[in-house]
Amino acid sequence: EDQVTQSPEALRLQEGESSSLNCSYTVSGLRGLFWYRQDPGKGPEFLFTLYSAGEEKEKERLKATLTKKESFLHITAPKPEDSATYLCAVQAGTGNQFYFGTGTSLTVIP
Amino acid sequence: EAGVTQSPTHLIKTRGQQVTLRCSPISGHTSVYWYQQALGLGLQFLLWYDEGEERNRGNFPPRFSGRQFPNYSSELNVNALELEDSALYLCASSFPGSPPYFGPGTRLTVT
Repeated sequence: EDQVTQSPEALRLQEGESSSLNCSYTVSGLRGLFWYRQDPGKGPEFLFTLYSAGEEKEKERLKATLTKKESFLHITAPKPEDSATYLCAVQAGTGNQFYFGTGTSLTVIP
Repeated sequence: EAGVTQSPTHLIKTRGQQVTLRCSPISGHTSVYWYQQALGLGLQFLLWYDEGEERNRGNFPPRFSGRQFPNYSSELNVNALELEDSALYLCASSFPGSPPYFGPGTRLTVT
């Protein structure tokens, strides 16, 4: 069964303390992996798409990387405004179905 | 470019009532997805529509239904509301090869 697992479930960081969030997946025929940011009570905001192992994408303090089994979202010198839930999703197989992980809730303390 | 829009923003219903939620996708997107997100929980897949057809549905009872119109907009209907249906309902749209882009959601409260 296709599955997406995110860890940790929650992460508290001091402002400036870099860390990484993990998204591991077991799917057949990966077509794309996507990262989103979700603020409380709002819809997820698209961040990155990764298509193949070795690919990296960057945006401000965030960098997403992809291997054959997992993806990492690296957060460098985070600020309180980076506090949010980060979701990853994969698209696999021949259809247009997406599978979401349950997210990592990030809190950055000033 | 306008994003995904949803209406209403929030609503309050009584148990046993029926509700219809609406979603307008990004122009050019042919697929619409519906998700339920209960407070503090992850996204639960409800329904996927593409080119007017229901392509897949999640593990929800038949009282959750919907449709997609020729202009690719979509509505989600929930009959016989139960307290546990209280959640943020999210609509997303995509076209082949693109990730899903989400709307702001509709907050449903069932009392």
